[in-house]
Parts: sequence; structure tokens; C-alpha cells
Amino acid sequence: DTAVSQTPKYLVTQMGNDKSIKCEQNLGHDTMYWYKQDSKKFLKIMFSYNNKELIINETVPNRFSPKSPDKAHLNLHINSLELGDSAVYFCASSPGLAGLYEQYFGPGTRLTVT
Amino acid sequence: AQSVTQLGSHVSVSEGALVLLRCNYSSSVPPYLFWYVQYPNQGLQLLLKYTTGATLVKGINGFEAEFKKSETSFHLTKPSAHMSDAAEYFCAPVGGGGADGLTFGKGTHLIIQP
Repeated sequence: DTAVSQTPKYLVTQMGNDKSIKCEQNLGHDTMYWYKQDSKKFLKIMFSYNNKELIINETVPNRFSPKSPDKAHLNLHINSLELGDSAVYFCASSPGLAGLYEQYFGPGTRLTVT
Repeated sequence: AQSVTQLGSHVSVSEGALVLLRCNYSSSVPPYLFWYVQYPNQGLQLLLKYTTGATLVKGINGFEAEFKKSETSFHLTKPSAHMSDAAEYFCAPVGGGGADGLTFGKGTHLIIQP
């Protein structure tokens, strides 16, 4: 009974392709996030949605587009993939805005761009 | 915005020895503070958090941290390391407003020597 799930777990693709990563949470949380973790384990927030509305949009190339069809889902679509996009992408959720509440993380999606 | 410094990207201790992972934050306003742990090939999970009240906070798996305003620190400790503690540890402070995304420290990789 996974709280935050992501699919796929691994994604290997070529430069220039478009891909999506899906995230679902069954915790009833209002807020969801996407993070990127690089090879040095540095974790950087990319986006945050609260009740399906975008509230945080860090400096991320516009090739990355989040979509939240409902409160339980936050998908990440990436256009024209580049080598530098290779990383582990984590989805997370929390009952409210970040900082006041614990975040629950998904298992991650390891994206490899060749 | 808040920021943190985690001293030592790698910390190695012997099994049974004291674990001390350092985290200093930069702010004149005491933030909320979190420690997360990331086991290999997994997402992050909350170890413990400080918001208000008691400055010594106990978390899961025998870890604890003490908030010291005078030192702007929130170091993580465990009296006796276990092999299963080998993981990446992240400190994260957030400004009290909660509107910011969660900003993680660069992480400390804890190695347990048998």
C-alpha cells in the first residue's frame, strides 16, 4: 500500500526524446513536489503544487512541464531530453505547504539520457 | 532564504561508535529544521524535526538532534552506530513562513565500518 508511487522506476532514453514520469499519492495530501537529485546526491526542488495549483517554480528549463490533473497526481513531462537531465527525480507530498509539514517521498525515477 | 551547511560530505564511524553529523543554518530567525535519511536506492524519509518547544528532539532509529540557537546548529547524533545506519543524511531548514520550497543541505554520506 504505497503512499507515494512513481512510474517508471528506471527510464533510459536518447537525447531529443520526450518522456513523462508519473506520480501518485494516496495520503490525501494537498501539496506535491518534484525534486531532482544529481549524481552527487544534491537535492533541488523543481516544482510544487498545492491543490492542483502551481506555487513554486524554481529555475528549471521550460522543457520541464508539470501537470496536476487532480490533487493525488503530479506528473512531470520533459521535452527534448538532454544529457544533463540524467538524474534521479523524486516526487513528494505533504499535508500543506513545505516547511511546516513532513514530506513523504516516492522511491524515485532514475532517468538516463544517452 | 534559509540555507544550511553540512560539514563533511562523508563521515565514517565504527559500528558501535558515536555518530555525529553536523548541520548549521544561516538565519537570524530560528527556522523549522528537519533531518531526513535516504537509504540506498530509496526516497527520503523523515528522521526527526524541530519546530518549537523542546530543543532536544528524538527521532526514529535512536537518532536525536539538539537545536542550539546560540550556535545556529542542529547536529544529529546517535550513541551507537549500527551497520543499517549507512545512508545519506540531509539537513533541511525552512523559513517560518512555510511558503518556500524545502531547501536541503548537500547531504552527508554516513559509512559504518565493521
